[in-house]
Amino acid sequence: DAGVIQSPRHEVTEMGQEVTLRCKPISGHDYLFWYRQTMMRGLELLIYFNNNVPIDDSGMPEDRFSAKMPNASFSTLKIQPSEPRDSAVYFCASSLAGQDTEAFFGQGTRLTVV
Amino acid sequence: EDQVTQSPEALRLQEGESSSLNCSYTVSGLRGLFWYRQDPGKGPEFLFTLYSAGEEKEKERLKATLTKKESFLHITAPKPEDSATYLCAVIGAGSYQLTFGKGTKLSVIP
Repeated sequence: DAGVIQSPRHEVTEMGQEVTLRCKPISGHDYLFWYRQTMMRGLELLIYFNNNVPIDDSGMPEDRFSAKMPNASFSTLKIQPSEPRDSAVYFCASSLAGQDTEAFFGQGTRLTVV
Repeated sequence: EDQVTQSPEALRLQEGESSSLNCSYTVSGLRGLFWYRQDPGKGPEFLFTLYSAGEEKEKERLKATLTKKESFLHITAPKPEDSATYLCAVIGAGSYQLTFGKGTKLSVIP
């Protein structure tokens, strides 16, 4: 398996624009996680899915953020409208059996909102 | 609320100079403590999981230990390729969420 695949690797957008980040988890992994990493706050969980169903979205900062998992091999994180404070590295991760097991992270998407 | 504090924030070692990284945690009912390694421009990579006080795990030059309040990542005779940021994370019985520390950036100088 190629591991968790995220796209794009880098995204630069203007404030107010819609941004969509994409993730393909490892085949057979039932859990998918979206994290955000900043210097100030470190790595924070935004939302996670189990068998394509959102389980906990309490980390999603605002209604501007939304995530979907239409099938077991694809998930999106959307920000609409984007703001400069959303600039961060966004990681997708997947695991076989929840957060108390080994998670495999993608390479991340570095988002810059100007 | 689960909390994780890692120290030091940054550590510079000469090649071969052994040292330890600290992870202090506060959690209600520890389900697991995790160590990850993160290289620049990449996602975190899993190293260890520890579940109970007294547990130890080793991998090459790394050894992780756990007490009821903290975990140590011991690095023996480090090499330049061990340079990375090391992240500690905990999951508690009440939260079901992994809480990460801000990491220790390790630099090993040849």
